[in-house]
Amino acid sequence: KQEVTQIPAALSVPEGENLVLNCSFTDSAIYNLQWFRQDPGKGLTSLLLIQSSQREQTSGRLNASLDKSSGRSTLYIAASQPGDSATYLCAVEVPGGGNKLTFGTGTQLKVEL
Amino acid sequence: ETGVTQSPTHLIKTRGQQVTLRCSSQSGHNTVSWYQQALGQGPQFIFQYYREEENGRGNFPPRFSGLQFPNYSSELNVNALELDDSALYLCASSLETGTNEKLFFGSGTQLSVL
Repeated sequence: KQEVTQIPAALSVPEGENLVLNCSFTDSAIYNLQWFRQDPGKGLTSLLLIQSSQREQTSGRLNASLDKSSGRSTLYIAASQPGDSATYLCAVEVPGGGNKLTFGTGTQLKVEL
Repeated sequence: ETGVTQSPTHLIKTRGQQVTLRCSSQSGHNTVSWYQQALGQGPQFIFQYYREEENGRGNFPPRFSGLQFPNYSSELNVNALELDDSALYLCASSLETGTNEKLFFGSGTQLSVL
């Protein structure tokens, strides 16, 4: 059974700092790994999708890497801003039909002025 | 804004009742997935509908059922509500059902079961 773990559960940083969020998964049989952002009481916004054959994806200040063999991914956020404050979730798409995503429990990020 | 709309935004029910949640997918999308997110947890896959047929199901009992309509909007029905059904229910649409499809999530329906 695929399990996804995110560390740390919560993180508070001053504005401008570069930071790394971690995600690990137990079964390397994945189609892709995705990072999402969730604001309180809201739905999820897709940030980056890394296909299983890829090693990283970049969008603006965000960079995500994938190491399938070790079951790990990192999300790097450069020059953090207060608007980056949210919960960040990683998810892996697994075989079994229906674009089924298995999510971690998230890292709650607070960027302070 | 993703173009995926869910209704209602909040709902309060009592144990044993039945509930129907609704989702309108983004224009041009034929696939809808439903997820349950308990407080402090990541979302869990309930099922997916593709062109009006169920196309994959997670580890949820049969009292969780769904429908997809010809316009690709969708309903999630939950019978015999239990206290543990209290959660944020998220709907996501995608252009197709193949792997590596980007999902667009709605803002969710917050269900409280008393």
